[in-house]
Amino acid sequence: DAKTTQPPSMDCAEGRAANLPCNHSTISGNEYVYWYRQIHSQGPQYIIHGLKNNETNEMASLIITEDRKSSTLILPHATLRDTAVYYCIVSGGNTNAGKSTFGDGTTLTVKP
Amino acid sequence: NAGVTQTPKFRILKIGQSMTLQCTQDMNHNYMYWYRQDPGMGLKLIYYSVGAGITDKGEVPNGYNVSRSTTEDFPLRLELAAPSQTSVYFCASNRGGENIQYFGAGTRLSVL
Repeated sequence: DAKTTQPPSMDCAEGRAANLPCNHSTISGNEYVYWYRQIHSQGPQYIIHGLKNNETNEMASLIITEDRKSSTLILPHATLRDTAVYYCIVSGGNTNAGKSTFGDGTTLTVKP
Repeated sequence: NAGVTQTPKFRILKIGQSMTLQCTQDMNHNYMYWYRQDPGMGLKLIYYSVGAGITDKGEVPNGYNVSRSTTEDFPLRLELAAPSQTSVYFCASNRGGENIQYFGAGTRLSVL
């Protein structure tokens, strides 16, 4: 799986959009971008994933650049409960038994 | 719906003791994984399984063993516990097709 690079930490004001970047310059054509988050010491939770088109669900939006070398996770109206570590992962799904490399992620702190 | 259940939640071991961390899932997922997470770090894959009777090593398998006799259960065995195995252990499952993993709540293990 391709490696990803994320900033170690970010702050965001409550109610504002949180934009979390991820670089994955070695991504290959069949690899998807996945985002997970981990609140306190709970197990990570899946947020969203995409291949090349922008995606949106009830939790977040995912914007993938046209060359697919980077992406941005957007939490449109961050709340204090969104404070967590966010992991960006690139994975080919079944082609690699679903194995994922979780790096150190970005610690997002949402402030009142 | 229970999802992925891990037991115990906490455990303290003495150096040289052995134990089994239990993981069971009720989603009929083929793929299962064991990760460890050291303080302030990301998750590292220990072992994974693509189905009953099939297991393979991840990034950090030394000191651990696994078995997968049923689809539901994927126990992780620690033999001769060492202080370096003090960590939080997460089990996850994935139905396959897409790399959407569902995580348990974790087992916090201290080896003293």
